[in-house]
Amino acid sequence: GAGVSQSPRYKVAKRGQDVALRCDPISGHVSLFWYQQALGQGPEFLTYFQNEAQLDKSGLPSDRFFAERPEGSVSTLKIQRTQQEDSAVYLCASSQQTGLDWDNEKLFFGSGTQLSVL
Amino acid sequence: DAKTTQPPSMDCAEGRAANLPCNHSTISGNEYVYWYRQIHSQGPQYIIHGLKNNETNEMASLIITEDRKSSTLILPHATLRDTAVYYCIVRVRSTDKLIFGTGTRLQVFP
Repeated sequence: GAGVSQSPRYKVAKRGQDVALRCDPISGHVSLFWYQQALGQGPEFLTYFQNEAQLDKSGLPSDRFFAERPEGSVSTLKIQRTQQEDSAVYLCASSQQTGLDWDNEKLFFGSGTQLSVL
Repeated sequence: DAKTTQPPSMDCAEGRAANLPCNHSTISGNEYVYWYRQIHSQGPQYIIHGLKNNETNEMASLIITEDRKSSTLILPHATLRDTAVYYCIVRVRSTDKLIFGTGTRLQVFP
């Protein structure tokens, strides 16, 4: 498909377990974002990549959260020693960001990974 | 923190126009207003954006006041499929990220 793909769609983890969430952005998209969405709330920014460079990780809630995009395409969000408060939908988005008119760049979102920590 | 204020919920009859307001009184001159919507169990979807002028596309119209302190998203003929949470977002120019608020939950009824 041509959209942003995230896997798994659902993940159940026991408290203390490590999890890895995958995002396949739209081919050729330079920018990649991760957001966390708690039930009934709007998405909250976690981190941003431009190609393989992580330019902003100001939204990561703790050092248990780690994101990477080693080849500038697929990205993985890793959460170590999961806690119940980590339960949320994790959304990935990408944008083309040609640099020519980036104010107008739209973000394309995946359907998210719903993480439940028991 | 989000730089916009929206009503938490609205109802609209199917076939009628849905007018969703947004206040952004602290918007800067070079910041755009973006609208996204999120249908249940899906990621947010881009609708429209604007700077100063009113904008229209195949999905909606965006009316921005002359002082740019507020705007209205108009869905001209709402359908049941338009039931969603609608987010009004001011784009931070110095970064690429979108900062979401809690949005307006629009319920379209038959």
